[in-house]
Amino acid sequence: DGGITQSPKYLFRKEGQNVTLSCEQNLNHDAMYWYRQDPGQGLRLIYYSQIVNDFQKGDIAEGYSVSREKKESFPLTVTSAQKNPTAFYLCATSPATQYNEQFFGPGTRLTVL
Amino acid sequence: AQKVTQAQTEISVVEKEDVTLDCVYETRDTTYYLFWYKQPPSGELVFLIRRNSFDEQNEISGRYSWNFQKSTSSFNFTITASQVVDSAVYFCALVDSGAGSYQLTFGKGTKLSVIP
Repeated sequence: DGGITQSPKYLFRKEGQNVTLSCEQNLNHDAMYWYRQDPGQGLRLIYYSQIVNDFQKGDIAEGYSVSREKKESFPLTVTSAQKNPTAFYLCATSPATQYNEQFFGPGTRLTVL
Repeated sequence: AQKVTQAQTEISVVEKEDVTLDCVYETRDTTYYLFWYKQPPSGELVFLIRRNSFDEQNEISGRYSWNFQKSTSSFNFTITASQVVDSAVYFCALVDSGAGSYQLTFGKGTKLSVIP
């Protein structure tokens, strides 16, 4: 099936631990994105990548890190420096051309205990 | 800087009623695109429509219709004869030439509840 896979759907971690959220796509899209969603806050962009081995910070990059070693994969690491990491995290992709719609994965709900 | 405002936080309607979700945007660019997404309780955002700034024609897709008015910087979404399956959070979004034309700016969403 073509699509975007995020795993796991629910993730629990202890405070102070780093955690990596996976995002894989087989849509052959060049651009990939990570968003954070909090209740009543809409979606806020964490990082995005337009091509392999390149990525840019979004609006709330502090406390997060990413890598883009393969076109299909864009993992997000939530580090211990992120003050309030409990949230719903959404990965998205889009074709390389400008102004395109983004396609979203099912999301990972991270809870830090 | 670009901004999207969805003033309605939550709306409740009875099934079969029509409902309009408002979206007002701000941008300094003349070239931009507007989007609507649906987020059902499962969490995954579903793309509904993309409209560019040079096309002000209204669009209809089944029970869904969109009204784009540049004069008021609005891109409103109407659901006709609402159904329980329409219950979701709906997001309006904008992309302009900033950030290489890749970055979507989202409104905070409107939660629609359709009551049987």
